[in-house]
Amino acid sequence: EIVLTQSPATLSLSPGERATLSCRASQSVRSYLAWYQQKPGQAPRLLIYDATHRATGFPARFSGSGSGTDFTLTISSLEPEDFAVYYCQQRDTWPYTFGQGTKLEIK
Amino acid sequence: QVQLQESGPGLVKPSETLSLICTVSGVSISSDYWSWIRQPPGKGLEWIGYIYYSENTNYNPSLQSRVTISKDTSKNQFSLSLRSVTAADTAVYFCARQIVEGVPLDWGQGTLVAVSS
Repeated sequence: EIVLTQSPATLSLSPGERATLSCRASQSVRSYLAWYQQKPGQAPRLLIYDATHRATGFPARFSGSGSGTDFTLTISSLEPEDFAVYYCQQRDTWPYTFGQGTKLEIK
Repeated sequence: QVQLQESGPGLVKPSETLSLICTVSGVSISSDYWSWIRQPPGKGLEWIGYIYYSENTNYNPSLQSRVTISKDTSKNQFSLSLRSVTAADTAVYFCARQIVEGVPLDWGQGTLVAVSS
């Protein structure tokens, strides 16, 4: 199965700063990479799909990039509500798999 | 507005069968893709499998020998059966809807199932 490795495991930043989260796949997933935001006690929420397409309800400060094996989620200027755990997920090859997550915490 | 709600026992004994139901409102389960995804406490997400079209299914190979996903269109529900459970199956179980295969858009709130004697 395809392994997704996210880095860093934890990212400590302040509101207003720029966040860059990475996801690397063990083999090419083309552009079939999604990002999810999960807050404590809640289900994950689709944020980005097919690498670059922002889901309904998320503001333009969230953006995704990449293809093949290397992907990035960027939050241009952090708001207090953005602090959460972010997961990447591939749908190129079954079984679809998730990364282990990056925890974005307030510094 | 699409809503999904998981239901079932919160505690299952080792070697027994875990059974959950996802009740869907706001859309018919006759179309789209319907998944079960789980998350052990404090850990990451694992896709268990999904059902689509009439009764087509895809199961994670790591669980395939123990899993069955089915649906009841008349009740607008789909279900998960996981046999011969162990403590490693303790997790929050989510049901989810995909419009695009492999992209869970709508999720239930999740239900914690503990495996313990």
